[in-house]
Amino acid sequence: EAQVTQNPRYLITVTGKKLTVTCSQNMNHEYMSWYRQDPGLGLRQIYYSMNVEVTDKGDVPEGYKVSRKEKRNFPLILESPSPNQTSLYFCASSLKAGGVSNQPQHFGDGTRLSIL
Amino acid sequence: KNQVEQSPQSLIILEGKNCTLQCNYTVSPFSNLRWYKQDTGRGPVSLTIMTFSENTKSNGRYTATLDADTKQSSLHITASQLSDSASYICVVSVLQGAQKLVFGQGTRLTINP
Repeated sequence: EAQVTQNPRYLITVTGKKLTVTCSQNMNHEYMSWYRQDPGLGLRQIYYSMNVEVTDKGDVPEGYKVSRKEKRNFPLILESPSPNQTSLYFCASSLKAGGVSNQPQHFGDGTRLSIL
Repeated sequence: KNQVEQSPQSLIILEGKNCTLQCNYTVSPFSNLRWYKQDTGRGPVSLTIMTFSENTKSNGRYTATLDADTKQSSLHITASQLSDSASYICVVSVLQGAQKLVFGQGTRLTINP
């Protein structure tokens, strides 16, 4: 089954304790992206990757890191989490990057992070 | 500034009724417009994608329209079902090198029996 898998689905942790949220897709997609979703703000892009070893900042990259060493994986790293990073996070992928692409983005089911 | 505004913020209708959700955008240059359905606790799922030249696109009981001149889109749901209860998100893609999507805040639709 074609899917985007995120782990963990839920995490409660404390300020400053490094954490990684994994994202994996099995569709051989080139483009992958991370978003955060907050009430009243909609989905905002954190980082994206157009292909292996190619990553770039989205709209709200502060406090986050990513890497794309393999095509299927795109982990999100919070080196020193803070309470303002408490949010619902989504990973997404699509076949091709590019604004002209009419390919839909496939989303994971989300990771709810609580930073105390 | 690229923006996508959706209305209403929330809507409650009875099962079997029709409804229309609105999306206005100020995105340039425009590439395409997408509607997503997001069930509670799940990721968004694509319903339709429309390019500049497409006025209407259907996916089952969902019909999206696009007026590129007025920069408006609507999502019409026919004969609503309880499973249609969800948030519906309008997303506009910007025509640039990397894929840039501008998200609306969504309309929360509740279908009551």
